[in-house]
Amino acid sequence: GAVVSQHPSWVICKSGTSVKIECRSLDFQATTMFWYRQFPKQSLMLMATSNEGSKATYEQGVEKDKFLINHASLTLSTLTVTSAHPEDSSFYICSAREGLNTDTQYFGPGTRLTVL
Amino acid sequence: QKEVEQDPGPLSVPEGAIVSLNCTYSNSAFQYFMWYRQYSRKGPELLMYTYSSGNKEDGRFTAQVDKSSKYISLFIRDSQPSDSATYLCATIKAAGNKLTFGGGTRVLVKP
Repeated sequence: GAVVSQHPSWVICKSGTSVKIECRSLDFQATTMFWYRQFPKQSLMLMATSNEGSKATYEQGVEKDKFLINHASLTLSTLTVTSAHPEDSSFYICSAREGLNTDTQYFGPGTRLTVL
Repeated sequence: QKEVEQDPGPLSVPEGAIVSLNCTYSNSAFQYFMWYRQYSRKGPELLMYTYSSGNKEDGRFTAQVDKSSKYISLFIRDSQPSDSATYLCATIKAAGNKLTFGGGTRVLVKP
């Protein structure tokens, strides 16, 4: 099956700093990547959808200036949490979709962010 | 009301039992249905993908879809302690882009 990796797997940072999370599709080209956030014992909440070479589409209530998404290539998307605060502490998961004619999304292993 | 409803559990079963999971959805535009397994602090793993009413079997897993009732199920036969995880149903509209998840059901298989 298709493999999606994320880096780092966990990160601890101080309040006010920025954190970048990478999402890579290892054995396929991902025309679309998705970023989710998951709080403990809750389901995944879609934050934004990114297509290679174009601006990301953010879900309602997600601040685009705080969560910067770049999808510069067909195998890499990045999420930067700017000026992180403790309430941004969460589990961030990306997924990737291969091609346009498929509904299957493959998920990365997630990144646990803790903001002190 | 959420578009996809799923009992949060936890659902505790003895090893070897059949695990029965289900979700209901409200929007008839949902056409494709998935089941994901998520271990603690890991990303979801796709288990089953179906797009028509009926049954689909893969090893110990059987997915059922009843579009007339807007009801989807996942059955796990001969459950093992390694099946202990959270199971998420998800659905997507035809020509859609976004997955809509249920809240997840936590399953515990006791040895």
